[in-house]
Amino acid sequence: DAKTTQPNSMESNEEEPVHLPCNHSTISGTDYIHWYRQLPSQGPEYVIHGLTSNVNNRMASLAIAEDRKSSTLILHRATLRDAAVYYCTYDFGNEKLTFGTGTRLTIIP
Amino acid sequence: GAGVSQSPSNKVTEKGKDVELRCDPISGHTALYWYRQSLGQGLEFLIYFQGNSAPDKSGLPSDRFSAERTGGSVSTLTIQRTQQEDSAVYLCASSFETRLREQFFGPGTRLTVL
Repeated sequence: DAKTTQPNSMESNEEEPVHLPCNHSTISGTDYIHWYRQLPSQGPEYVIHGLTSNVNNRMASLAIAEDRKSSTLILHRATLRDAAVYYCTYDFGNEKLTFGTGTRLTIIP
Repeated sequence: GAGVSQSPSNKVTEKGKDVELRCDPISGHTALYWYRQSLGQGLEFLIYFQGNSAPDKSGLPSDRFSAERTGGSVSTLTIQRTQQEDSAVYLCASSFETRLREQFFGPGTRLTVL
């Protein structure tokens, strides 16, 4: 199974940037890195994905290390609605995403 | 447009009974996934359907679990002879294609086995 390592929890002040790290040392060269988040009492929702280059979308940015063994999800300006569990995963060359326990992000008003 | 829907939202059953959980994917999505999320845990992959291909059942925890997808759309996850350890939230997701396409998740079915 695709294995990632994330901190169990993080806190950030509202309206400040948040950097959520993820280690994926066993990733292969063709595996895409995916980030999802899960708000309380909801199913996960897609945030962003990437292969080698840094990626930006309306929700976040994804910074991928040159060796691809780690990545960082960046929320540029956290809001209270960003409080969620953030999951980092990769597709291990197939369609099955394996989610670990993720990082529980708390936003402090 | 409508997202992925699941029913029921909550199911309480007695140990040993069979349960059926339903998933309605987003129209036009060819890939459908079932996951299980136990309390305080991450998501555990169960089964994956893609078009008319044989499903990938590699994540099913035991032969008490089965799933089918009719007409390439609605899917039903069946758990026979439920056990207390089956208690979890069962999540369904669909995507337009596979792998690189984002998965859209339903709200889940919370199953409690007494």
